[in-house]
This record gives sequence, C-alpha cells and structure tokens, in this order.
Amino acid sequence: DAGITQSPRHKVTETGTPVTLRCHQTENHRYMYWYRQDPGHGLRLIHYSYGVKDTDKGEVSDGYSVSRSKTEDFLLTLESATSSQTSVYFCAISETRGSYNEQFFGPGTRLTVL
Amino acid sequence: SQQGEEDPQALSIQEGENATMNCSYKTSINNLQWYRQNSGRGLVHLILIRSNEREKHSGRLRVTLDTSKKSSSLLITASRAADTASYFCATLLLPNSGYSTLTFGKGTMLLVSP
Repeated sequence: DAGITQSPRHKVTETGTPVTLRCHQTENHRYMYWYRQDPGHGLRLIHYSYGVKDTDKGEVSDGYSVSRSKTEDFLLTLESATSSQTSVYFCAISETRGSYNEQFFGPGTRLTVL
Repeated sequence: SQQGEEDPQALSIQEGENATMNCSYKTSINNLQWYRQNSGRGLVHLILIRSNEREKHSGRLRVTLDTSKKSSSLLITASRAADTASYFCATLLLPNSGYSTLTFGKGTMLLVSP
C-alpha cells in the first residue's frame, strides 16, 4: 500500500457526532486525496491536498473539512456526521511525475453513521 | 456527472478466457488509467496510457485508447481466478488552471470461475 495507513479502519458513530479520519504516509509525497466509495457511484473525490496547508475541494466536499499540518498526515473531518456519510473512505497519494497522476491507495476506512 | 463510464457493469467468464472491459469518457484527457480493486481492499494502479498513445501492454494486460471516440478498453488475456476483482478506469483531465485530479468511473465487476 505504498506506505499509506488509515485509522481507524472501522468506525460506527451516531448522527450529529464529529468524526475524524486519519491518513498517514511514510514516503513524503506531496499530493494526498480523500475519496468516498459508495455502491453505484464508484469513487468520488472529497478533498485533496497539494502541500502542507494547501487543500482544495473535490466533487463531494459538502459536510467535510480537511487539514494537513504535516506532509505525512491528511485528516478528514465530518463536523456533524449524517447517515448519508455512511461509506468507505479511501486515502490516496500520488508521486510527482510530471503531469502524470498515478495514485496509490490506502486500505480504506468503513464508516457507519447510525 | 461521471467522466468515465465502464461497460459492462459485470462480467463473468471461465478461467483461460479473455476479459474485455470498456471505458467511455466525455471531455479531453491528459491520460487514462486503469485500477483494480479486490473485495474489501484499496485500489491498485494497473496501467496508464497517455492521450498521444494508442496501445500499451503490461504482462497479460492490453489497453487501447481511441481519443476520437473518447473510449478505452482493457483486455486481460488468459484470465485466472485471481483476476476476480472490480476494475475502474480513471481519467486525468486537461486542466484549465491549477491542479487536475483523477475522475473515476463506477467500475466493472469481473468474476473468473475456475
């Protein structure tokens, strides 16, 4: 998994509670991404980061915020979780190879919001 | 709207047969990538084809790209039961400005029976 870990791997929480998912990488890659995967939708980009403190929104960013205070960590926060945010969340990194954007994925976090 | 769409949604074949999956997209791309996902795992990058390439090979994989038709195909030859997985195409768009990110299709589920 290209030195990418996600924590927690599984989480069950209740509607309205805050949740933070962590992505940690060991190889000093500049670009990091958070996706969610849902049946019938494939992978959809939530937020991404192109450096420390540099982040931008993806396709489905509403209800999510991110932070990157260190190169190795990219945090995804659900300020007030809703049942529609039940999903599998994947973190990814990409190496800088010119204009290519081959990505390497973490193992995923399964989040259930009751 | 989804940039990449795979076809078929599901494919069931016998070991030793070839498997062909197709991907169509809507706008001009920088490159197109194929990923594989085993059940419960993160995505794994298989192969990348640039917009100025028409065909690439990697082991038992053959990818073609037809930019005039905005389509790509992934061929897995002499399939094995271990090839059972979901396969996703992802497109890197030509950015108007800033950073360009990958957009994933919904995937093709491949089942290879012994």
